[in-house]
Amino acid sequence: RKEVEQDPGPFNVPEGATVAFNCTYSNSASQSFFWYRQDCRKEPKLLMSVYSSGNEDGRFTAQLNRASQYISLLIRDSKLSDSATYLCVVTPIKAAGNKLTFGGGTRVLVKP
Amino acid sequence: DAGVTQSPTHLIKTRGQHVTLRCSPISGHKSVSWYQQVLGQGPQFIFQYYEKEERGRGNFPDRFSARQFPNYSSELNVNALLLGDSALYLCASSLAWGANPYEQYFGPGTRLTVT
Repeated sequence: RKEVEQDPGPFNVPEGATVAFNCTYSNSASQSFFWYRQDCRKEPKLLMSVYSSGNEDGRFTAQLNRASQYISLLIRDSKLSDSATYLCVVTPIKAAGNKLTFGGGTRVLVKP
Repeated sequence: DAGVTQSPTHLIKTRGQHVTLRCSPISGHKSVSWYQQVLGQGPQFIFQYYEKEERGRGNFPDRFSARQFPNYSSELNVNALLLGDSALYLCASSLAWGANPYEQYFGPGTRLTVT
């Protein structure tokens, strides 16, 4: 079983609609959680961190469920520019240094 | 200030050849991590270097090796290339070991195609 799993999609979303997708992780000792965005053939860029209490950044809402070992990302009022692959990232215990464990990514296509 | 730079941006190699990829971290950063991203998958951790020492290694064969130089730049070497080594190779730079993602910066990557 992969450490971090995501539905690869694509999620085809009408412009202005809401889309949500999850990411599951297998290591219950995982320390921190993040969402990255990756545009086609570009490097991943940090979108937001994920807190247990849930957090928002504009149209983006992230949540963590430690009991069920998943995190989620919700995008409201989708824009054409939101089309990208969204990567879930888990960081292990401190002793692992800077290692980031990425999921396979969820592709989102926002259409007019 | 310059960000993380990687060279070359693209290259094409033949099976069995050797390749060297280079990364220059942000000025003052002492840690470099390497990731491999095969098309359609997420990046996979290969190595982490800090202060010129290997501090972490992912699940990659011995054909993959790396080093960090006194100026903190880094090279990733791959021997006996296989078709499956075709990927985007990403370098991430950070000031220290144990940096969180807000403190790590990715370069644009090197796209390697093995034919």
